[in-house]
Amino acid sequence: NAGVMQNPRHLVRRRGQEARLRCSPMKGHSHVYWYRQLPEEGLKFMVYLQKENIIDESGMPKERFSAEFPKEGPSILRIQQVVRGDSAAYFCASSPTMEGANSPLHFGNGTRLTVT
Amino acid sequence: GNSVTQMEGPVTLSEEAFLTINCTYTATGYPSLFWYVQYPGEGLQLLLKATKADDKGSNKGFEATYRKETTSFHLEKGSVQVSDSAVYFCALSSSGGSNYKLTFGKGTLLTVNP
Repeated sequence: NAGVMQNPRHLVRRRGQEARLRCSPMKGHSHVYWYRQLPEEGLKFMVYLQKENIIDESGMPKERFSAEFPKEGPSILRIQQVVRGDSAAYFCASSPTMEGANSPLHFGNGTRLTVT
Repeated sequence: GNSVTQMEGPVTLSEEAFLTINCTYTATGYPSLFWYVQYPGEGLQLLLKATKADDKGSNKGFEATYRKETTSFHLEKGSVQVSDSAVYFCALSSSGGSNYKLTFGKGTLLTVNP
């Protein structure tokens, strides 16, 4: 009964490199959400995806960040040319439907990105 | 915009002590309110929720009541255990759709000593 699986747990990148974060939703869940937690702040919504579709990316930074959820395989959050300010914990969540209040989000353990 | 303010941590208690973690919110309309818990090394788990005013959410001995007049959703437990040591997050989702777009507080670290 695997939950939401994220990998890697910890990721260290130098400034200018690319970071790829992976998320496999819970079995039977087709909706994926990415959140970011900057130091000393609460989690903030970034993007909502279904298979092969971006539904809401209103929380994504305008540049360098992209997300996908292909037909096969995990969802990927990609950060190009990372900067120190990207250092944060990135959480993925999934749900069987989009109604979070009626179908609570199930979160993964997060990926802690450190940019040196 | 929406916001959630919760009690600054860390909070350290002895086993069997009474716990309160304050949470207040700012939102338009009638949001749903949640408490999530993150145990060491794990992801966030939904602890309890309330979807309308005066609702009381409860789970594992924890309770929180949705108080619209004071825009609060304080978390309480009568007798904490060492296993309750975790980070607790208060959150809300907007009314009128977009229930996946949760607004979280910064989290409160609770440590319970034996």
